[in-house]
Amino acid sequence: DTAVSQTPKYLVTQMGNDKSIKCEQNLGHDTMYWYKQDSKKFLKIMFSYNNKELIINETVPNRFSPKSPDKAHLNLHINSLELGDSAVYFCASSQAKGPKLFFGSGTQLSVL
Amino acid sequence: DQQVKQNSPSLSVQEGRISILNCDYTNSMFDYFLWYKKYPAEGPTFLISISSIKDKNEDGRFTVFLNKSAKHLSLHIVPSQPGDSAVYFCAASVQGGSEKLVFGKGTKLTVNP
Repeated sequence: DTAVSQTPKYLVTQMGNDKSIKCEQNLGHDTMYWYKQDSKKFLKIMFSYNNKELIINETVPNRFSPKSPDKAHLNLHINSLELGDSAVYFCASSQAKGPKLFFGSGTQLSVL
Repeated sequence: DQQVKQNSPSLSVQEGRISILNCDYTNSMFDYFLWYKKYPAEGPTFLISISSIKDKNEDGRFTVFLNKSAKHLSLHIVPSQPGDSAVYFCAASVQGGSEKLVFGKGTKLTVNP
């Protein structure tokens, strides 16, 4: 029973399209995150979401928007995809903004 | 601006020997440090952590050492096993929080049988 699950695992799409990645956690955590691992392999936080409080990394373009229907889900919507958005996106969760994160297995996004 | 640096992209050791993975940081505000392990096609998983009030934390075969004056930490794995082959990420945070968690680029460890 996967603790943090994200779908799809692979996503191949054309430039300009809009896509979503879904994430669900069954750990009862109250904070969820989206991370991006770029071609240089750095893991960088994009968003954290805790009790309806959204904290955004200011470097993230506003084409990216997280949506949380409830505490167990944090989906990532991306509008007008660009080539530079190609990366692996990881969802994660933690208890009470603690630094010990539980990650999903990642979504490999390829924009053609 | 790399606040957390793992200068060795890869490391290869023999099974049974010690693996030492290194991490340097530049931000003196960091006070909590973590190591994550990542297998291919999986997300990182938490391995071990240390608070800046300690200089060593041990969990089974894994020990993390922190040298605050040098802004350096290391992960020791003894004895190394083939199943330890993975990418190891060092991460640092301010006030033990997740919002300013900064990761290094990772070191790929290969343990040869």
